[in-house]
Amino acid sequence: AQSVTQLDSHVSVSEGTPVLLRCNYSSSYSPSLFWYVQHPNKGLQLLLKYTSAATLVKGINGFEAEFKKSETSFHLTKPSAHMSDAAEYFCVVSDRDDKIIFGKGTRLHILP
Amino acid sequence: EADIYQTPRYLVIGTGKKITLECSQTMGHDKMYWYQQDPGMELHLIHYSYGVNSTEKGDLSSESTVSRIRTEHFPLTLESARPSHTSQYLCASSGPGREDKQGEYEQYFGPGTRLTVT
Repeated sequence: AQSVTQLDSHVSVSEGTPVLLRCNYSSSYSPSLFWYVQHPNKGLQLLLKYTSAATLVKGINGFEAEFKKSETSFHLTKPSAHMSDAAEYFCVVSDRDDKIIFGKGTRLHILP
Repeated sequence: EADIYQTPRYLVIGTGKKITLECSQTMGHDKMYWYQQDPGMELHLIHYSYGVNSTEKGDLSSESTVSRIRTEHFPLTLESARPSHTSQYLCASSGPGREDKQGEYEQYFGPGTRLTVT
């Protein structure tokens, strides 16, 4: 059975400092992993995805994530936070049966 | 740019009314999904479809029903709305893109319908 755990429900960082949003997964097969962002009153937008190619994945808006099989992690990072990054972020796992599981989400707050 | 649409974007309706939330995509995707998201909570899959005439219930039990008569259209219906149905409903679709491989499709999401039942 597969599952995904986002370790923090809320993360607060100052503008210009690094962002780290943590995600751990469990999957019986080699999973596909995604990060989505949801801004207030907006639909979900794909930030990046891992599909068994390079373990370091670069996404939009300066975000990237590293797939670490030994740690079953897929943490999302950004070197320097911007006020416009304030949003809810979802880690998603999908296996070869195309079953999709969303994490509970992490709300990112950016402090001026 | 993905083309998936949901109407209405916002709906306030009284208890007992029948409502249909519309979802359409113009990408020719076979798979479509409905998610429910309560404020501040995670997304839950309530329905999905792998193609025309295919519908399945998701992980979260829902009193809503869906139909898939055409590839591009996946409406969700509540026969009798109740306050407990107040939530945001997100529609999504997935299918092959230029870079995707089988089984590794990303999902494209609509803007959502925020439903309030009074």
